[in-house]
Amino acid sequence: EAGVVQSPRYKIIEKKQPVAFWCNPISGHNTLYWYRQNLGQGPELLIRYENEEAVDDSQLPKDRFSAERLKGVDSTLKIQPAELGDSAVYLCASSLSNEQFFGPGTRLTVL
Amino acid sequence: GENVEQHPSTLSVQEGDSAVIKCTYSDSASNYFPWYKQELGKRPQLIIDIRSNVGEKKDQRIAVTLNKTAKHFSLHITETQPEDSAVYFCAASIDNTGKLIFGQGTTLQVKP
Repeated sequence: EAGVVQSPRYKIIEKKQPVAFWCNPISGHNTLYWYRQNLGQGPELLIRYENEEAVDDSQLPKDRFSAERLKGVDSTLKIQPAELGDSAVYLCASSLSNEQFFGPGTRLTVL
Repeated sequence: GENVEQHPSTLSVQEGDSAVIKCTYSDSASNYFPWYKQELGKRPQLIIDIRSNVGEKKDQRIAVTLNKTAKHFSLHITETQPEDSAVYFCAASIDNTGKLIFGQGTTLQVKP
């Protein structure tokens, strides 16, 4: 069984530029999560999807962050414009029940 | 909202010794407590989890204990090996919400 796939694995951009991350969850997993992990800290939930519906986006900074999961499978997380403080690893996870399976993450560096 | 505190932040043990990592949570409604292992540059991977209807769960060299009254849970690794070296995260959530609140992480170093 393939795991959660994310791309790109690394991204370096200058501040004020836009950036997008893509996630393909494990086949059949209805629930998809986007987390942000700052260096030396645990992951923090940004948004959770049940199929194509965002059921918890309370932690998503909506002024610059947006996400979509149009067909209830793949998802995209976008930042526009990026700020220096957005440098982090962005993790996608999916689940069928309680156990969440994480992708390898996208390491974003904003210069 | 839920808050999870994890201690210690770093832990160094000799190979073969035991390691214990402790977490406390604030929301008494939390009933699902997973532990994740994250090696450097890799994804977090679930190693064991426990629900609030049990007090202890064991899987080979790994065990987790839960004290609902005190709102704390612990990870126990026995007979540690160098490949156990990683960052360990505890987390708590209310079942079916899917919202995991993670602790700050413990960097475990097992010296050969």
